[in-house]
Order: sequence, then structure tokens, then C-alpha cells
Amino acid sequence: DAGVIQSPRHEVTEMGQEVTLRCKPISGHDYLFWYRQTMMRGLELLIYFNNNVPIDDSGMPEDRFSAKMPNASFSTLKIQPSEPRDSAVYFCASRRETSYNEQFFGPGTRLTVL
Amino acid sequence: AQTVTQSQPEMSVQEAETVTLSCTYDTSESDYYLFWYKQPPSRQMILVIRQEAYKQQNATENRFSVNFQKAAKSFSLKISDSQLGDAAMYFCAYRSLYSGAGSYQLTFGKGTKLSVIP
Repeated sequence: DAGVIQSPRHEVTEMGQEVTLRCKPISGHDYLFWYRQTMMRGLELLIYFNNNVPIDDSGMPEDRFSAKMPNASFSTLKIQPSEPRDSAVYFCASRRETSYNEQFFGPGTRLTVL
Repeated sequence: AQTVTQSQPEMSVQEAETVTLSCTYDTSESDYYLFWYKQPPSRQMILVIRQEAYKQQNATENRFSVNFQKAAKSFSLKISDSQLGDAAMYFCAYRSLYSGAGSYQLTFGKGTKLSVIP
């Protein structure tokens, strides 16, 4: 397996711009998770999907954040408009229903909003 | 809601020595899973060890072992024969056993930064 793939690895943008983060889960995995990591709040779940359907988006901070999973091999997390407080590392993770409950994490995208 | 607390923001250990990282959690559930993840400077989150709450036996993975005290809601990680490559952030995480919205998420502690001294 290639593992969970995220792009870009680093993103620097200016306040007000739209940012799109991308994730390709491990093939065959049914669940996909988006997390945000900051020094202040640690690792927080933003949203997760099961079979491409959003199940729990209660962690999405506000309407500026949106996530989609158009098919089993691709998901996006979009921030529009971006703000400096959105600066963080964003992780994507996936797992298989029958797996031993382990989530496999991608390398993360470090987002800096100036 | 479950909470996970790691009371040691930073720790250090001499190479080849043993170190224990602490984790406590709060839950009203009787069955759940607990994990330790390692995050090296590369940022990659790597699963170190897992424990099912219904198992009394403590999990072990090579040099890594846990001390799971269910009544005390404590889940500490022991690293034996510490190596330079063990230097990383270590996160304790909780996952509910039950299905339902939100139950598949991992609830993480704030992490403990482990330094290994040569």
C-alpha cells in the first residue's frame, strides 16, 4: 500500500484566499477522517466519512470550512475565505471497517495563512 | 464526552534507559480502545500500540508496553532500551467501541514530547 496521500505538503496563502487540501485514502478503506493539529488545541477531528458519505461534521469550526468525498479514492477540505487562525497542520486518515480499529494517517499538510 | 489527559508536556530519557509516559482518560463507557501514537519530526502519525479495554492483559510490542489500569482510567506507555529514534511527540488516544455518530473518532491527548539523550 502507498499509504494515505495528502497534497500539498505545505501551503502558504494570504488571508481571504481559498485553500483546498487533498487526500487520497488507502485503497479499500471505508472511513476517511480529517483532523486539525494546533499547539493550542492539539489534534481535533473535523469531519469523517463512511463510504463517501459525511457522518459527523460537528468538528468543522465554521461555515468557511467544507469537505467533500466525491468517490472512494479522493477527498477535499476547503477553506474559503482563509484566516490566519486557520494556520495548522491538517491530517487525513483512513481505516477499513474490518480493520483492528487502527486509523492510518497521511503525512499532513502544513497550512500557513498570512 | 470523553477526555484524554497527558500531564507531562515534555520528558527526557537517557539512551538505553526506560521511560514511562502517563495518560489518563475520562469515560462512562465500559468498553473502548486505547492507543498510543508516535509523531516524529516528519509529522507522520504512527501507531505504536493498542489496547482493548475488555482485555486485562497489558499489550506489548517489542520495546513498547502499556500499563492499563481500567479502574483508575490510566494507560501509561513504557519504552524500554530507549533509542535515539524514539524521540518524538507521543499521543494517547481513546476510541469508543460503540457505533453511532462520532464514535469512530479518536480523542487525543495534548501529547508528550520525548527527548532521548545520547
